[in-house]
Amino acid sequence: GQQVMQIPQYQHVQEGEDFTTYCNSSTTLSNIQWYKQRPGGHPVFLIQLVKSGEVKKQKRLTFQFGEAKKNSSLHITATQTTDVGTYFCAGFGGGSNYKLTFGKGTLLTVNP
Amino acid sequence: DGGITQSPKYLFRKEGQNVTLSCEQNLNHDAMYWYRQDPGQGLRLIYYSQIVNDFQKGDIAEGYSVSREKKESFPLTVTSAQKNPTAFYLCASSQAGGPSYIQYFGAGTRLSVL
Repeated sequence: GQQVMQIPQYQHVQEGEDFTTYCNSSTTLSNIQWYKQRPGGHPVFLIQLVKSGEVKKQKRLTFQFGEAKKNSSLHITATQTTDVGTYFCAGFGGGSNYKLTFGKGTLLTVNP
Repeated sequence: DGGITQSPKYLFRKEGQNVTLSCEQNLNHDAMYWYRQDPGQGLRLIYYSQIVNDFQKGDIAEGYSVSREKKESFPLTVTSAQKNPTAFYLCASSQAGGPSYIQYFGAGTRLSVL
């Protein structure tokens, strides 16, 4: 079945440093979604990427979808303490299979 | 106030006991999902449903059961056959159709074994 690998599992940074997490799918995806889960909270949808090579920005966050639609990345510029949490990617294979496959997530901690 | 409501927030299970976790949504979404979250394991799909009276097994369905008698409700029963039930359980819903299936999550239920 479809698998989504996400690295790194943990990342600790000093406030102001950049952060990147990467996802790789075993199969071509229809779209990829990114979620953020704050400590003690539940995942919240951040963004969806659909097109090959797509790049989207949300303030300090930059999301990319690979040309082959099998990999994606999330880059945070100049991290802040409010960025703390676990970032998940989730791949949607498309067709009649309406479930997402989540990566294991990257836990980001930020030292003020 | 639209959203997904999970209850209870905390639940304790005794040995050999079945427990049921509630999930209700008023977003008029067709699809609903149950995930289990363990530290370092991400989100693992237990069951999912696209329409009333129909549901599919996810990756870790053993020891769990569900029903979908109403569009708004998708309760999960953790049976005594689930030998390691301690985890954080998340319910989600999404609008079926189109390219998305963006998931909206409830606040979760933390289940522990006494």
